[in-house]
This record gives sequence, C-alpha cells and structure tokens, in this order.
Amino acid sequence: RKEVEQDPGPFNVPEGATVAFNCTYSNSASQSFFWYRQDCRKEPKLLMSVYSSGNEDGRFTAQLNRASQYISLLIRDSKLSDSATYLCVASQGAGTALIFGKGTTLSVSS
Amino acid sequence: SAVISQKPSRDICQRGTSLTIQCQVDSQVTMMFWYRQQPGQSLTLIATANQGSEATYESGFVIDKFPISRPNLTFSTLTVSNMSPEDSSIYLCSVLEGPVKYGYTFGSGTRLTVV
Repeated sequence: RKEVEQDPGPFNVPEGATVAFNCTYSNSASQSFFWYRQDCRKEPKLLMSVYSSGNEDGRFTAQLNRASQYISLLIRDSKLSDSATYLCVASQGAGTALIFGKGTTLSVSS
Repeated sequence: SAVISQKPSRDICQRGTSLTIQCQVDSQVTMMFWYRQQPGQSLTLIATANQGSEATYESGFVIDKFPISRPNLTFSTLTVSNMSPEDSSIYLCSVLEGPVKYGYTFGSGTRLTVV
C-alpha cells in the first residue's frame, strides 16, 4: 500500500465550480502535510501547508483529520488557471523528505 | 524562499554513459533531496544529500547507480551512472531552508532521455 494515496482523476469541471480532492496517508508518524501544485512540464510548487485546525487561503481550503489520516483540498469558484495536477504530500517532520501522492489532475473549462 | 539553479535543464544521452546534474542554491540550506519523476508518475525520493557525509538512499536506489555529492550547504550533484532507457525521467532537487511548515522548494528539474 502506498504511503499517500489520492484519486488520480481527472476532474473536469466548469469555471466557477467547487471541487474537492481527498487524500489518505498510511504512516501515522507523519507530522507535516502539504498540497503542492504541478503544472505540465514544471516543478511542483507549494500551494499550502495543511494544519489540524484547517486553513484557508483565498479560494482554497485545506483540512486535516489525524484520526482518519485524511487530508482534503477544496477549491471554490474554479478558474481556468487552476488547471493543474494537485499533489498531496506528507512528511514525518523537520529534516525528513516529502512523500508524494500520485496527484489529482484538474481541468477547468470555460 | 530559496532560489535553486538546476543544470542541465534537459539532456539526451547514450545508454551506458553517465550524466551529472547540478543543484545550486542561493542560500545555505539545511536539507537537500533528490527526486525522480518518471513519465506520468508522481515524485519518488532517491536520496537525502548530506553535507560532508554519504547520502542516505531510499529503498530501490543505490550509491553505485546514483552517486551524490554535497560538499557544502549550497550545492549538490546527482550522477546517473551507466544509463539505460529506463532512467529516462525528470530529476529534481529539493531543499528545506527553514521551518517545515513553509514547505520545500524544488529546482526546475532535469529532463533526461536515454537512447
């Protein structure tokens, strides 16, 4: 079983839609969680860190449920520019490497 | 955040040869990592580059195939040795420069094709 699992999609949504991505992690020792965004043929870039209390950054909301080992990302009012692959990522803490999910592909159309 | 210069950005190499990829950071960073992203796949950690000592390799990756150097806190190299077509991939370096909550920064990657 992979350490970080996410639905690969693709998710095809119209502009303005709300879309949610889910992710589970298997290592209960994981302490830090992130959502990264990767555009085609580009390197991953940090979208947001995920905190137990949940956090919001504009149209993006991330949630973490440690008991269920579950992470989510909600995108409201989708834009064409949101089209990308979204990577769910976990690490065991400072000084440890990131473990990536396979990514969820989002395509937003007009 | 740190600015990473990764070279070369792409290369086409003959099987059996070796390629060394360089990762230069504009500031001293505590942690540097090397990842591989095969076509259509997510990122897989190859190793953690340790300054002044041997790299720490993940399962399935060995030093003879992927020797890594990290002579100081701003620079690292990854060599892909005795290449085969299966090594065709994107190789990325990544750094952690501060608290984990601020995430890790990636280089722009090296797109390697082995023919």
